[in-house]
Amino acid sequence: EIVLTQSPATLSVSPGERATLSCRASQSVSSNLAWYQQKPGQAPRLLVYGASSRATGIPARFSGSGSGTEFTLTITSLQSEDFAVYYCQQYNNWPKTFGQGTKVEIK
Amino acid sequence: EVQLVESGGGLVQPGGSLRLSCAASGFTFSSYWMHWVRQAPGKGLVWVSRINSDGSSTRYADSVKGRFTFSRDNAKNTLYLQMNSLRAEDTAVYYCVCDGGGYYSFWGQGTLVTVSS
Repeated sequence: EIVLTQSPATLSVSPGERATLSCRASQSVSSNLAWYQQKPGQAPRLLVYGASSRATGIPARFSGSGSGTEFTLTITSLQSEDFAVYYCQQYNNWPKTFGQGTKVEIK
Repeated sequence: EVQLVESGGGLVQPGGSLRLSCAASGFTFSSYWMHWVRQAPGKGLVWVSRINSDGSSTRYADSVKGRFTFSRDNAKNTLYLQMNSLRAEDTAVYYCVCDGGGYYSFWGQGTLVTVSS
């Protein structure tokens, strides 16, 4: 099973600043990596797939990069609605696995 | 608009059974693989099971294999998750999810299953 390790566990950021979230895979997942956003009491929402393709309706301030084992989700100029938990997920191998999440909180 | 609406969650005793349903609308349901993903209270996301578009093939996480059965009725645009021999560790919000090509493009709002005596 591929293990995804997200860092940091919690990221404190001021509104308007940039946030950089990391996801590391225990073995290569090529570009088969997605990012999701989850707000309290809500279902997750797809942000990025294929490591760098934004899902429909996702603002351009969200961008994904990386391949192989190292991936990054960058949120430029954080808005109030961006404070949430972010998960990465690999779909290169079965079982599909998620990282443990990074909580982006208001500084 | 894509909608996935889960139902059937609730409180059940250890060893008991529950059947979850997920009603889909707003897309060509019969063309898509579908999944169940669960989230224990305060914890992360865990894939549970998937079914192919015509229901002929299923796959399960080791933790639920032999206890859960995933099925679908394409005429009714509905998914079912039959959960037997439930354990405390099955307590979670269960989401039905549409497969967009390996990743999960749309999620239902979830239904809470609590296994407790």
